[in-house]
Amino acid sequence: DQQVKQNSPSLSVQEGRISILNCDYTNSMFDYFLWYKKYPAEGPTFLISISSIKDKNEDGRFTVFLNKSAKHLSLHIVPSQPGDSAVYFCAARTGTASKLTFGTGTRLQVTL
Amino acid sequence: DVKVTQSSRYLVKRTGEKVFLECVQDMDHENMFWYRQDPGLGLRLIYFSYDVKMKEKGDIPEGYSVSREKKERFSLILESASTNQTSMYLCASSFTWRSPEAFFGQGTRLTVV
Repeated sequence: DQQVKQNSPSLSVQEGRISILNCDYTNSMFDYFLWYKKYPAEGPTFLISISSIKDKNEDGRFTVFLNKSAKHLSLHIVPSQPGDSAVYFCAARTGTASKLTFGTGTRLQVTL
Repeated sequence: DVKVTQSSRYLVKRTGEKVFLECVQDMDHENMFWYRQDPGLGLRLIYFSYDVKMKEKGDIPEGYSVSREKKERFSLILESASTNQTSMYLCASSFTWRSPEAFFGQGTRLTVV
């Protein structure tokens, strides 16, 4: 039973445009949602998080939106840059030892 | 800077061998985790620990065990390596109550032949 889902395996966006990555979840007990970026042969790097009591969090070019009624969150990257090309994972935290449950990832390619 | 260090970047082991993957963190984090990453499956939690000598099973614990004798060190043990355990293994650590993010090591690419 997959509690965190990323339904788009890949996304291609032109440099300078907006990238929107989506994530759905099923467990109402998640208290934080996070986005990670991963390059090949490296560990994931934390990007941005949002508490379940908020609906938006912004950090530079990255904004995360949370729609609790739809159990949906999205990551917006504006403007997209070639260095943003990576796999992006959505994750959700539950209380037990702050355990993170990850989605399957979306590969973003930013083209020139 | 938070540092999570995994003992090896690449490992090749034979079927049936006992394999140890070591992870050390320097941020005094209470929690430590072992994940594996496989194409199309994302990151799946194998085991985690919220305190010294405490451990809990994650989503895919079969064929693995863990040890946490000191707060900064978390070891993953493959009791008898099999080819379906060929994967990227990722260690992470986090605080329980401060910030929500977990910090990851660089990963160990394990190949079982």
